[in-house]
Amino acid sequence: SQKIEQNSEALNIQEGKTATLTCNYTNYSPAYLQWYRQDPGRGPVFLLLIRENEKEKRKERLKVTFDTTLKQSLFHITASQPADSATYLCALQGASGYSTLTFGKGTMLLVSP
Amino acid sequence: DTAVSQTPKYLVTQMGNDKSIKCEQNLGHDTMYWYKQDSKKFLKIMFSYNNKELIINETVPNRFSPKSPDKAHLNLHINSLELGDSAVYFCASSPGTGNEKLFFGSGTQLSVL
Repeated sequence: SQKIEQNSEALNIQEGKTATLTCNYTNYSPAYLQWYRQDPGRGPVFLLLIRENEKEKRKERLKVTFDTTLKQSLFHITASQPADSATYLCALQGASGYSTLTFGKGTMLLVSP
Repeated sequence: DTAVSQTPKYLVTQMGNDKSIKCEQNLGHDTMYWYKQDSKKFLKIMFSYNNKELIINETVPNRFSPKSPDKAHLNLHINSLELGDSAVYFCASSPGTGNEKLFFGSGTQLSVL
């Protein structure tokens, strides 16, 4: 069955460092991969979308890579700030128009001052 | 103005009761969704509607019945509530059925006692 794995342990880093979060998947050939941020008591908020034929996407301090051979996406936040502390979810979707967006469990990021 | 709003924010009820959660989006989107996030933080699709038509219905007990009176509203009615229904329910919307980002509401925390 399809599986999306994100590190269940929280990632603790110091302010100013680069945070790198991992999303691995098995038994899946997604056409699209998205990253969302979720704060406690709130709904997920979209951050970035990357297509299977794209290797990398950037938006301000965020960078996402998508390696369909390794079946892995890496999500980087450079110059991290305490305000970046949240849970980050990756989500995969197939190519068809009615394909469901399937979420991983997310990784909590804690950025300390 | 909140883009995707759902009510109530909290719902505490007894086993066996029937309850409804309402969702409205003011983004002009064609597609709306219900997701369930359980205690392990897994976010799973339940239903998807496009222009008031049901397009995705995952394996959800038929005690759960979505209703879309128009494309801006998607309500969720739950009959005969069970302890295992306790979770956070998120409404979301997207412009179409393609591979686009989702806009989530802030969630309804349902506790069944």
